[in-house]
Amino acid sequence: GQQVMQIPQYQHVQEGEDFTTYCNSSTTLSNIQWYKQRPGGHPVFLIQLVKSGEVKKQKRLTFQFGEAKKNSSLHITATQTTDVGTYFCAVHSLVGNTPLVFGKGTRLSVIA
Amino acid sequence: KAGVTQTPRYLIKTRGQQVTLSCSPISGHRSVSWYQQTPGQGLQFLFEYFSETQRNKGNFPGRFSGRQFSNSRSEMNVSTLELGDSALYLCASSSPGGETQYFGPGTRLLVL
Repeated sequence: GQQVMQIPQYQHVQEGEDFTTYCNSSTTLSNIQWYKQRPGGHPVFLIQLVKSGEVKKQKRLTFQFGEAKKNSSLHITATQTTDVGTYFCAVHSLVGNTPLVFGKGTRLSVIA
Repeated sequence: KAGVTQTPRYLIKTRGQQVTLSCSPISGHRSVSWYQQTPGQGLQFLFEYFSETQRNKGNFPGRFSGRQFSNSRSEMNVSTLELGDSALYLCASSSPGGETQYFGPGTRLLVL
């Protein structure tokens, strides 16, 4: 079945530093979604990327979808303590009617 | 609109018992998915229901089952509980034709 690798597993940064998490698939993806889960909370949808090479921004967050639609990244500029949490990518394969498959997530800690 | 609700929020059971968890999706959402979240395995897909029919099933033993009612509310049942079933069980709903998952707060199950 569809699998997706997400790296790194953990990232500790000083407040104000940048942060990037990567999501990689061995197969071409239909689309990719990103979710954020705060400690003790539940995953919350951030964004969906559909087009090859797509780049979307949400304030300090930049999301990219690779040209081959096999990888994606989430970059946070100048992290803040409010960015703490686990960031998950979730993918649908090109095969129809398959469930969303989540990466194992990158847990971000921000040191003030 | 009210969000996805899950009951109960916390549950303690002993090995061998069974448990039923409930999920009420966002009004108008007909698709409900269930996930198991553990520190080691991340978010693992259990099953998806749409209009009372199971549309997809993850790689879990037959002890895990679910159903969906005509009002889109869903339940999942775990029989003969094992220690390894201790986890956060998340329910998510999505709108017709939509792919974004809207998660509930989860039910935290502890099996002793």
